[in-house]
Amino acid sequence: AQTVTQSQPEMSVQEAETVTLSCTYDTSESDYYLFWYKQPPSRQMILVIRQEAYKQQNATENRFSVNFQKAAKSFSLKISDSQLGDAAMYFCAIYNQGGKLIFGQGTELSVKP
Amino acid sequence: DTGVSQNPRHKITKRGQNVTFRCDPISEHNRLYWYRQTLGQGPEFLTYFQNEAQLEKSRLLSDRFSAERPKGSFSTLEIQRTEQGDSAMYLCASSLADRDEQFFGPGTRLTVL
Repeated sequence: AQTVTQSQPEMSVQEAETVTLSCTYDTSESDYYLFWYKQPPSRQMILVIRQEAYKQQNATENRFSVNFQKAAKSFSLKISDSQLGDAAMYFCAIYNQGGKLIFGQGTELSVKP
Repeated sequence: DTGVSQNPRHKITKRGQNVTFRCDPISEHNRLYWYRQTLGQGPEFLTYFQNEAQLEKSRLLSDRFSAERPKGSFSTLEIQRTEQGDSAMYLCASSLADRDEQFFGPGTRLTVL
């Protein structure tokens, strides 16, 4: 069975600073995808960034980047130049050919002005 | 296209009643997923469709739950004889194909009194 673990229930960052959210996962699959989703309060979930397991290069989307360590089964999200609009629940998720996303418990990020 | 829509957004019902939720995916998306999210947790997979075929159901989906996707367009999720433990946010997502980004709807929040 696949599992995703986010060990930080809450994180806080000062506006314009950098924060890293942690995620570890377990899977027996060799071909899988990893995602970070953002869920703002009372708003729908949106994709932040995705990483294909076969790619060694870490994915980057503007201020968001990941540190993908396949051997360690670690997939952390770095947010640079944090903005007030980044405040949300962040979920790490894994997807395989089975067709479903397995989510972690989430990390609530607050951004201080 | 305005994205994935779900109706109703909120539903309050009494224990023992039946409820039905509707999800309209992004047009041309072949895959449609249902997830359940309880407060403070990540979404949990319930079931998914490839066109009109239901390909997988989670063990979370008891006999009281049924999902359909007639004609491969919108989908309905029915819960019969609701219980207080069914109170949750029910999320729908759609994607173009396997491994593609899943786009989430705003969810239907169910409260069972």
